Order: sequence, then structure tokens, then C-alpha cells
Amino acid sequence: RKEVEQDPGPFNVPEGATVAFNCTYSNSASQSFFWYRQDCRKEPKLLMSVYSSGNEDGRFTAQLNRASQYISLLIRDSKLSDSATYLCVVNGGSSNTGKLIFGQGTTLQVKP
Amino acid sequence: DAGVIQSPRHEVTEMGQEVTLRCKPISGHDYLFWYRQTMMRGLELLIYFNNNVPIDDSGMPEDRFSAKMPNASFSTLKIQPSEPRDSAVYFCASSGGQRGTQYFGPGTRLLVL
Repeated sequence: RKEVEQDPGPFNVPEGATVAFNCTYSNSASQSFFWYRQDCRKEPKLLMSVYSSGNEDGRFTAQLNRASQYISLLIRDSKLSDSATYLCVVNGGSSNTGKLIFGQGTTLQVKP
Repeated sequence: DAGVIQSPRHEVTEMGQEVTLRCKPISGHDYLFWYRQTMMRGLELLIYFNNNVPIDDSGMPEDRFSAKMPNASFSTLKIQPSEPRDSAVYFCASSGGQRGTQYFGPGTRLLVL
């Protein structure tokens, strides 16, 4: 089983749609959670951290369920510029917090 | 700030040749990470350093791979001898602190023929 699992997609949605991505992780000792965004042929960039109480940044909302070891990302009012691959990321556990484990990524294509 | 700098941006080499990838982290960052990304395996951590000291090299695939960080502003990842299965994009990232945001360089696209 992979340490971080995501549905690879692709998700094809029209502009203005709401889309949700899910992710599960296997290490219950993980303490830090993130969503990164990677554009085609570019490097990954931090989109947002994920906090236990859930957090929002504009059109983006992240949720964490520690009991189920589940992370989600909701994008409202999708824009063409949101087209990218979204990577679910968790740290390597309490003894190795410097290490990040990346999911395979979920590809989003927003169409006009 | 210049961000994380990697060189070369592209490398094409023949099987058996030595390949050296270079990275300059963001000034003041004390953590440096080397990743490899392929379609099949996604983004994998190879090794990371804290204050120039290797902390976890469990992701280094085999003895053909080695990494060094002689000072706070420079790191290398070497593959010797290279093989076609080493073809991938190699990213370097740095962060300020163990829980700091990791900033990635633009990557080196390696093709081993």
C-alpha cells in the first residue's frame, strides 16, 4: 500500500464548477499535512497547509480527518488557471518530521 | 530572492557516464532535499540534509547514487555509472527549519540513452 494515495484523475470540469480531491495516508504518526500544486513541466509549489480544524484560502478549502487518515481539498468556482496537478503531502511521522511523502497527484483540467 | 537554483536544467548522456547535478539552496535555509520524479513512481525523496549533514538517505536507490553538501550553499547529486532507468526529473528543495515550507528548484531533466 502506498503511504499517500490519491485518485489520479484526470478531473475534467467546466469553469465555475466545484471540485473536490481526496487523499488517504497510512502513517498515523504523521503530524503535518499539505497540498502542493504542480503545473505541467514545472516544480511543485505549496498551495496550502492543512490544519486539524480545517482551513480556507479564498476559493480553496482543506479538511483533515485524523481518525480516518483522510485529507481533502475543495476548489470552488474553478478557473482555467486552476488546471494543474494537485499533490497531497504528509510528513514522515513523528520521528522524521523533515521528510515529506508525496502522493502521485490528481490532475485537474478546467475547460471553458 | 533568487530561489533554489539547479544546474544543469537538461542533461542528455549515454549509459555508463557519470552525471553530476548541482543545487544552490535559498540563503539561510538549513534543510536541503533531493527528489526524483517519474511518471511511474511520482515524486520520491532520495536524501535530505540538515546543516550540511545527511539525515536520511533511505530513498537513495543504490550505490550508484551519492550526494554531498560541502557547505550551506551548495549540494551535488552524482550518478555513476548512469543507466537508462535513471531518466527522470531531479528536484532540489530547501526549507528553513524542519517544518518549514519546502521550496523547489526548477529541476534537472535527465535522459540517459
